[in-house]
Amino acid sequence: NAGVMQNPRHLVRRRGQEARLRCSPMKGHSHVYWYRQLPEEGLKFMVYLQKENIIDESGMPKERFSAEFPKEGPSILRIQQVVRGDSAAYFCASSPSIPRNTEAFFGQGTRLTVV
Amino acid sequence: TQLLEQSPQFLSIQEGENLTVYCNSSSVFSSLQWYRQEPGEGPVLLVTVVTGGEVKKLKRLTFQFGDARKDSSLHITAAQPGDTGLYLCAGAVQAGTALIFGKGTTLSVSS
Repeated sequence: NAGVMQNPRHLVRRRGQEARLRCSPMKGHSHVYWYRQLPEEGLKFMVYLQKENIIDESGMPKERFSAEFPKEGPSILRIQQVVRGDSAAYFCASSPSIPRNTEAFFGQGTRLTVV
Repeated sequence: TQLLEQSPQFLSIQEGENLTVYCNSSSVFSSLQWYRQEPGEGPVLLVTVVTGGEVKKLKRLTFQFGDARKDSSLHITAAQPGDTGLYLCAGAVQAGTALIFGKGTTLSVSS
């Protein structure tokens, strides 16, 4: 768990601003997943990326949300023109390059508060 | 549609009691994971089960994967206050696909 680094841990944005959440996967991992968690709810899948590719974005809203995982650097989840409903904990997870079974290791999350 | 149903949603017990948490689905999973999450932290992987009927033990925790790979259970023996937390099951329909999570079971163990 400690190997996946997310920053910032806490992020406060005013309505209409942009939020950028960063995730550095564990060393040697090239698969990254983003999840959103609301109080008393489970983790909702948003997007699955490999280096420079989006594999599955079926859980990500079509508007205002985007994600990337460049060849160099961390994965970025970007939320444009944030609204109060975007307030949540956003978790990133990573898994090895060739997962025999899908084991994901999570970061500590970014808590986004929109005011 | 919730692919993975966990029960119970909340569980409050006394130290020393045993408990079982269930994770059920109508879908078949290639693997199933159990995670534990504490407030303000990310989920921590406890175990992965991949074979129907598989049983894994982790100290006082026993995990079982159903024969048809559609359900799983987590049994805790002699619960301790340190076991308090949110227990999440998650499954992958096939290897390499994103994990689908249940809503979790919030366990509270009091001394």
